[in-house]
Amino acid sequence: AQTVTQSQPEMSVQEAETVTLSCTYDTSESDYYLFWYKQPPSRQMILVIRQEAYKQQNATENRFSVNFQKAAKSFSLKISDSQLGDAAMYFCAYRGNNAGNMLTFGGGTRLMVKP
Amino acid sequence: GAGVSQSPSNKVTEKGKDVELRCDPISGHTALYWYRQSLGQGLEFLIYFQGNSAPDKSGLPSDRFSAERTGGSVSTLTIQRTQQEDSAVYLCASKTLWETQYFGPGTRLLVL
Repeated sequence: AQTVTQSQPEMSVQEAETVTLSCTYDTSESDYYLFWYKQPPSRQMILVIRQEAYKQQNATENRFSVNFQKAAKSFSLKISDSQLGDAAMYFCAYRGNNAGNMLTFGGGTRLMVKP
Repeated sequence: GAGVSQSPSNKVTEKGKDVELRCDPISGHTALYWYRQSLGQGLEFLIYFQGNSAPDKSGLPSDRFSAERTGGSVSTLTIQRTQQEDSAVYLCASKTLWETQYFGPGTRLLVL
């Protein structure tokens, strides 16, 4: 079974600075997808970024980028120019090629942004 | 377009009562998922529907939990004889075949 580990329960960053959230996973599959979701206090899970394992190029979405190291099974999220609105829980998730494509989530990292 | 909607937003019930949670997926999304988010267990998969196929119930924690999806659209998650450990946020997500899952705002269930 796949597992996803987020080793940082909480992180703090100064507004306008850069922060990196860590995620590692364990799988025997070679083809899979990885995601970062943001969950603000409203509870709505919002997709931040996704990465296909077969792609070597790291995904980027505006201020959000990932460092995907397939051999190391590492998938970190970098947030540049942090904004107050970035404060939230961040979940790393794995989706393999099982029939249902259900997500396996890490335990989450609470990001606080200091003004 | 409209996103995934869930109702009620919050539900307080007494131990032993039955509850029904509703999910309205994004129009045209054939796949629908239920997840549970609790303090002790994190985010866990519960059940998955794809089109008219039999649902994947492998994540349901006990036979007190059941779900149905009528007409390939709206889904209802039912918890019978609720227990305090059922207190959690229940999240619904939907997607088309190869795309990303989009989540609703969840239902926070509190069992007293």
